[in-house]
Amino acid sequence: GIQVEQSPPDLILQEGANSTLRCNFSDSVNNLQWFHQNPWGQLINLFYIPSGTKQNGRLSATTVATERYSLLYISSSQTTDSGVYFCAVVGGTSYGKLTFGQGTILTVHP
Amino acid sequence: DARVTQTPRDKVTEMGQEVTMRCQPILGHNTVFWYRQTMMQGLELLAYFRNRAPLDDSGMPKDRFSAEMPDATLATLKIQPSEPRDSAVYFCASGTRSDTQYFGPGTRLTVL
Repeated sequence: GIQVEQSPPDLILQEGANSTLRCNFSDSVNNLQWFHQNPWGQLINLFYIPSGTKQNGRLSATTVATERYSLLYISSSQTTDSGVYFCAVVGGTSYGKLTFGQGTILTVHP
Repeated sequence: DARVTQTPRDKVTEMGQEVTMRCQPILGHNTVFWYRQTMMQGLELLAYFRNRAPLDDSGMPKDRFSAEMPDATLATLKIQPSEPRDSAVYFCASGTRSDTQYFGPGTRLTVL
């Protein structure tokens, strides 16, 4: 099946700093989503982005499908950004099944 | 604000007992997924349905797990008998065929 690798595994920032999270995938995808899992365990949709670039406030994402990677940018980080960020993909023949990466644990200190 | 709901939110039970988890997908979504999250395995798909028909349950231990969708507003995941290794957070998600999947708050299961 499709493999999803995220980097870095851990990231520690001071409030106000910017960061880039990366997601590499091993095959073509029909769907790519970024999620934030908050400290209460809730999985929050950030982006649905199988290709192209999207922005939502301080967050933006870019997926280059031909090169099999996606980037999540967080600008002016806040303590509420802390949590785990997951990238998940639906492979070309997976009919909607999301395969998750292992996540990036982000900690933002005040 | 439409959202996926799951009950119960927390469940503590003893080994050998039956556990039933319920999910109400977002109205109009025709695809429902069950995922499990553990520290060791991360997030993994157990089963999913489209238009209430099971499409894939290859991620589930067949001897003890069963998933059903008795109607368009209810999906269930049952474990019988439960074992300590089943302790995990179980998420339900719903969506349309190729669009965003929306996750419920999860059921945290602890099997003693």
